Amino acid sequence: KNEVEQSPQNLTAQEGEFITINCSYSVGISALHWLQQHPGGGIVSLFMLSSGKKKHGRLIATINIQEKHSSLHITASHPRDSAVYICAVQLANAGGTSYGKLTFGQGTILTVHP
Amino acid sequence: SQTIHQWPATLVQPVGSPLSLECTVEGTSNPNLYWYRQAAGRGLQLLFYSVGIGQISSEVPQNLSASRPQDRQFILSSKKLLLSDSGFYLCAWSDGILNEQYFGPGTRLTVT
Repeated sequence: KNEVEQSPQNLTAQEGEFITINCSYSVGISALHWLQQHPGGGIVSLFMLSSGKKKHGRLIATINIQEKHSSLHITASHPRDSAVYICAVQLANAGGTSYGKLTFGQGTILTVHP
Repeated sequence: SQTIHQWPATLVQPVGSPLSLECTVEGTSNPNLYWYRQAAGRGLQLLFYSVGIGQISSEVPQNLSASRPQDRQFILSSKKLLLSDSGFYLCAWSDGILNEQYFGPGTRLTVT
């Protein structure tokens, strides 16, 4: 079993729909990252969070440390949101630092139709 | 502002040939540096990370090696490429404090 599991693997939506992508992890973490990978391969960091909720424009990320679960929400989705969304965790190292090393989920392929 | 460069953008190499991919970061000092690989149909995997000049840690056993000859330069190498080395290689940096990661544009390597 992977340490980081995302669902769904594929998601198709109509423009304007509210979208949720889920991420569950099975290890202790110091932070969780949400990344966006465009069709050409380039990766952009959307959020890094260790508790609570963050919002940037139409994107919202939440994390529940006790339940080891995070969600990425996109409000009023648009075709330009079509991309692969990747959840990654920074493992907690007892007595040390993880040096920012990331363990990744498999990604969610989002397609938004006009 | 900080920028990260990778080259080449694409590369096609025969099996058994050597490899050298280069990554440089501008606008910051003493960054943590990372090499990741994304094989076809698979997720990202950390290959190497470095917290300083000459300090390299390998995360998975493989046919590749990494070096950091200068503070903001990270090189991924192989003496003899295998078909299984094909993939999308990404370099990234973080400040070592907040650890938000910033990714380069990537190199798509095809081994034939």
